[in-house]
Amino acid sequence: QVQLVQSGAEVKKPGASVKVSCKASGYSFTTYGIHWVRQAPGQRLEWMGWINAGNNNIKYSQKFQGRVTYTGDISASTVYMELSSLRAEDTAVYFCARWTSDWYFDCWGQGTLVTVSS
Amino acid sequence: QSVLTQPPSVSAAPGQKVTISCSGSSSNIGNDYVSWYQQLPGTAPKLLIFESNKRPSGIPDRFSGSKSGTSATLDITGLQTGDEADYYCGTWDSSLSVYVFGAGTKVTVL
Repeated sequence: QVQLVQSGAEVKKPGASVKVSCKASGYSFTTYGIHWVRQAPGQRLEWMGWINAGNNNIKYSQKFQGRVTYTGDISASTVYMELSSLRAEDTAVYFCARWTSDWYFDCWGQGTLVTVSS
Repeated sequence: QSVLTQPPSVSAAPGQKVTISCSGSSSNIGNDYVSWYQQLPGTAPKLLIFESNKRPSGIPDRFSGSKSGTSATLDITGLQTGDEADYYCGTWDSSLSVYVFGAGTKVTVL
């Protein structure tokens, strides 16, 4: 079945970077884009951008432009989200989600908690 | 402040119906399909409704969606304790060039 499995929780200090992975299985990895969405404690879902590793099409939300980088490894069916210059406000659960051609998210990763604390 | 407006909470007794509204604008709901996601406590969101009124396989017909103009609605009938969750609407905003979510609505079964 279609599945997205993310890397484990991270604790980082302010100013550091974090890299979260999202491994896909159960479908043709290069056919679908993967989006990143984060959720701060008690807050709403916040869209961060997407990557299609098949054609290297990448879009960043303007809010995170310059601080976030998406990469993909087709051989490993995995995409990565790296967020730099971390601050306390970046403490959140980060989700990856598969994007369909009809413009909705039909499968989500389990989430990765990133805690930024000195 | 969210681009899509949802009520913070709704509640009803088991077996009853709740309706969750999602209000947007011509650049988002008025211009594209709406999706709804259910997020049980401590879990990832799950697709409930896509293309405004379609259910993925496995989603019971107690959940239904509709859209009119710049607003969308999610109805849950025959409410069950397992439906207690946060529900988010989402769609693409062509003016902002971002995918936008509502602030979420917490459903409580009394």
